[in-house]
Amino acid sequence: NAGVTQTPKFRILKIGQSMTLQCTQDMNHNYMYWYRQDPGMGLKLIYYSVGAGITDKGEVPNGYNVSRSTTEDFPLRLELAAPSQTSVYFCASSYSMGGYNEQFFGPGTRLTVL
Amino acid sequence: RKEVEQDPGPFNVPEGATVAFNCTYSNSASQSFFWYRQDCRKEPKLLMSVYSSGNEDGRFTAQLNRASQYISLLIRDSKLSDSATYLCVVNMNKRKLIFGAGTRLAVHP
Repeated sequence: NAGVTQTPKFRILKIGQSMTLQCTQDMNHNYMYWYRQDPGMGLKLIYYSVGAGITDKGEVPNGYNVSRSTTEDFPLRLELAAPSQTSVYFCASSYSMGGYNEQFFGPGTRLTVL
Repeated sequence: RKEVEQDPGPFNVPEGATVAFNCTYSNSASQSFFWYRQDCRKEPKLLMSVYSSGNEDGRFTAQLNRASQYISLLIRDSKLSDSATYLCVVNMNKRKLIFGAGTRLAVHP
């Protein structure tokens, strides 16, 4: 099992550019998440999905969009990149959302917007 | 007040030392609690869940105090490989995990 994979590992964008961060998991988890982590801060939930075709906003969804067409894939789209979106982005998945279900994280994408 | 608060550290300890971290949470209705470990420039990984009765996994012991709304992590006989950031994570409701900013631990020879 590869677990949760993310591409790209690093990216530099110019203000106003768009990009998609890819996330794939091979554990057949229904639940998937996107977080961002700023220096010295905790992870903030951007969007999450409880299954194919179902997504919902987290704490900080502005400036991002997601889709979930398959169980395995959960891409995150930045439409008009801004310097405030400079961060490390982590995708995660879990078997379910409640109780003591572990979230498995991908290796992260380091994004810089200049 | 932040929903989950941790002392950022760093905690600098020698090998073999015992070190303890606390984490406070604001929502008394919080349902489940975790400690995750994050190595420098890596993804978080689950270290242990925290049960009401407390739990132990080798050198690591986690405790929950619901009355005072804090959880703790005790590491005994610290190893160099324990150097990392430890994230306190609280499940506020079924759809939301709140991550603390983390406590940095540096174990030196």
